[in-house]
Amino acid sequence: GDSVTQMEGPVTLSEEACLTINCTYTATGYPSLFWYVQYPGEGLQLLLKATKADDKGSNKGFEATYRKETTSFHLEKGSVQVSDSAVYFCALSRDDKIIFGKGTRLHILP
Amino acid sequence: DTEVTQTPKHLVMGMTNKKSLKCEQHMGHRAMYWYKQKAKKPPELMFVYSYEKLSINESVPSRFSPECPNSSLLNLHLHALQPEDSALYLCASSPYGGARTGELFFGEGSRLTVL
Repeated sequence: GDSVTQMEGPVTLSEEACLTINCTYTATGYPSLFWYVQYPGEGLQLLLKATKADDKGSNKGFEATYRKETTSFHLEKGSVQVSDSAVYFCALSRDDKIIFGKGTRLHILP
Repeated sequence: DTEVTQTPKHLVMGMTNKKSLKCEQHMGHRAMYWYKQKAKKPPELMFVYSYEKLSINESVPSRFSPECPNSSLLNLHLHALQPEDSALYLCASSPYGGARTGELFFGEGSRLTVL
């Protein structure tokens, strides 16, 4: 079945460091891909999305490109801030379902 | 501020109690969802309502009973729960009657503790 695999955390970085969180997927057809973020004590928020191959989603300085050839959707940010500390979930949509990866906890140190 | 409102934020109940979780959205979305999230785990889909009809039930035990009285409201009725049902219960809505766009709008969740 469809699935999402993302790198294990926690990831700890210093402020202004570069971030990459890897995500790969397994799916039949052409799912839409997403990154959701969950700040402490809150529900999930859609961070960015891409609906077809080679699309780049971007928001709040984060970017991810839908790579069909490598079945990947890695999340990147050039300079992280303490406020980016959260759990990040890679996800794909299939019909009426959203399938989430296990999540990657990110800690940014001042 | 989230536009999906969940009440209560915290609930403690015994195994013989009957309680309900409530979710409300006024964005005109036609699909609503219940997810269960255990600590340090991703959300797990429980139920999907599409145009006020139950479209997905992920083999959830009958002690969880969803209800969608209208397009803005979603309830989750709880009865005879087990301690392992303790979790964060997240409600979400989607504007397109399905999750094809993946744009789910989540509430902040109801944290349930079963004693």
